[in-house]
This record gives sequence, C-alpha cells and structure tokens, in this order.
Amino acid sequence: GAVVSQHPSWVICKSGTSVKIECRSLDFQATTMFWYRQFPKQSLMLMATSNEGSKATYEQGVEKDKFLINHASLTLSTLTVTSAHPEDSSFYICSAVTGGSASGELFFGEGSRLTVL
Amino acid sequence: DAKTTQPTSMDCAEGRAANLPCNHSTISGNEYVYWYRQIHSQGPQYIIHGLKNNETNEMASLIITEDRKSSTLILPHATLRDTAVYYCIVRASGSARQLTFGSGTQLTVLP
Repeated sequence: GAVVSQHPSWVICKSGTSVKIECRSLDFQATTMFWYRQFPKQSLMLMATSNEGSKATYEQGVEKDKFLINHASLTLSTLTVTSAHPEDSSFYICSAVTGGSASGELFFGEGSRLTVL
Repeated sequence: DAKTTQPTSMDCAEGRAANLPCNHSTISGNEYVYWYRQIHSQGPQYIIHGLKNNETNEMASLIITEDRKSSTLILPHATLRDTAVYYCIVRASGSARQLTFGSGTQLTVLP
C-alpha cells in the first residue's frame, strides 16, 4: 500500500517553544492530508484538513493560530505547534488521500509523540 | 457518515479465530464499511473494506449482513501481534473526506 511517513516520531520540548511535525507521502501525491490528535486511552480526533496550495480547514475547538498547518507541496504537509504547553502533549497522526477524489483511499503515518515539559 | 457501535474489549486465544462485531444500523446505500487497527503508539493500519459482499484479503475477512446493518471482522488465526484497537468505520464511496473514529474494540490475544 501507499506509504505515509512522519518525522519526528517523538519529540520532547520545553514549554513555550514551537515544534514542527512533517508528514510526507512517499510514493504518491496527496492533494489532501488530515491531521489527528490522540490523547492516552482515547480515540483519534480530527484537528484539521490540509489542502495543497490553500488554507487548512480546522475543526471546531482547534486553534488555527496555535496549530499552524502548511501544505506547500503535493507530498508534504507540516504541523507546527506554536508556544507549546504541557496540555499539548499528545500523539499527532497524519493521513493522506491517494488518487483523486473519486478514489480517496486513506493511509496513515506512524504518528509523532509530543511531550512538552 | 453513519455511526458505528463496537464492544469495548475482547479477548482471544492465540491461534484461534478472532471475530470482531460492528453495528452500523444507519448505514446508507453508498457507504462502505472500513476496518482499521491501531497497535499501541503507532498510526492506524488499513485492514479491509467492503460494500455488501463478503471480502477476504491476506489479513482478514469481512462479513457484512444482508441488510448491511452489521458486520464482522474475522482474523482467522490470531497471533500476539494482532493485539490492537480495531476500528469499524463507515464512509461514503468516492469520498475524500476524513475518517471519523469511534472508540473501537481493544482486542487482546492471549498466549
């Protein structure tokens, strides 16, 4: 199947710093990528939809100024957690859509665990 | 997308078949049933999907009832590495929309 890669797989940072997480589609072009957040023992919650060349669409309750999403190319989307705080510690997962809107199969990255001290 | 209902947890003996049920009584005609699983601290992994016919691949089989209101994912010979949270999701065909995850079923394969 298609491969989606995230980097870094884990990161520890100090409170107040910003952290960037990359999501890459390695063997296909993805016009749409999705960012999820998962707290311990909970399910995945959609944060935002990232569309190549346009602004991301954020879910209700997700601060767009805090979670900056950039999708500048068809193979890369980045999520930047700005001024991170301990409550932002979570498992962040991206997914990418293969093919055009007619197929729309979803594949997931390995996830990035953020710990804010 | 239609809502799904799954048991919170299940146990299965290693080597036996694991049968994971899912109810999706409000599924509409153009919605597929997808199954993903998430092993601890990893991203979700696609398993299988189907519309109304039963499906089988190298990982699992998917049995969908005739009225499509429920389905069962079957792992024919469960191994310890199959221990994971299994998510049943319904999604319209031809849709590039995001997946909406429910609580899933924690499957624990016991030695």
